[in-house]
Amino acid sequence: GEDVEQSLFLSVREGDSSVINCTYTDSSSTYLYWYKQEPGAGLQLLTYIFSNMDMKQDQRLTVLLNKKDKHLSLRIADTQTGDSAIYFCAESGGVQAGTALIFGKGTTLSVSS
Amino acid sequence: DGGITQSPKYLFRKEGQNVTLSCEQNLNHDAMYWYRQDPGQGLRLIYYSQIVNDFQKGDIAEGYSVSREKKESFPLTVTSAQKNPTAFYLCASSPSGAYYEQYFGPGTRLTVT
Repeated sequence: GEDVEQSLFLSVREGDSSVINCTYTDSSSTYLYWYKQEPGAGLQLLTYIFSNMDMKQDQRLTVLLNKKDKHLSLRIADTQTGDSAIYFCAESGGVQAGTALIFGKGTTLSVSS
Repeated sequence: DGGITQSPKYLFRKEGQNVTLSCEQNLNHDAMYWYRQDPGQGLRLIYYSQIVNDFQKGDIAEGYSVSREKKESFPLTVTSAQKNPTAFYLCASSPSGAYYEQYFGPGTRLTVT
């Protein structure tokens, strides 16, 4: 079945770069997403990448997609304490509108000053 | 402001009681979703609805029920048949279109004792 895997924890120092990795199994995935969840809150979409792209950059965020290895990564440059949160990778595959996303278990990013 | 509202933020119930969680959106989205989040488990899909008066079971639908009588509203009932109802419940919606970005509400934390 479809599955999305992420490492559970990442700890970095303020000002360093963070790299959060994700692997997925559904080769038909059309879009891949990164969401951020702060404590006690809902999920906020950070960025997404279409499956025919290799890279997408959005300010401090860089998404890299290796479709052959089904590997997705999110790099946060100049990580700040406000970036401390849980980051979820998610995939979607259907051509039908409203297809449910499949989420990984989330990576908890801890940023120390 | 457009968005998704969930109420209440915190809900306490005694074991054996049914409880209904509210989810309303004014984004004019066709599709709506309910997820359950437990620590270290990521998000698991309970039910989703792609159109009014229609809904489908997700991965963990047992012990839950939903209705979709209006486009804006997708309430979730946690029944007494749900064995472990204590969790954080997240509602989301998504538009029809080329990709399936989901917008999340702030969540409801349900505690059953």
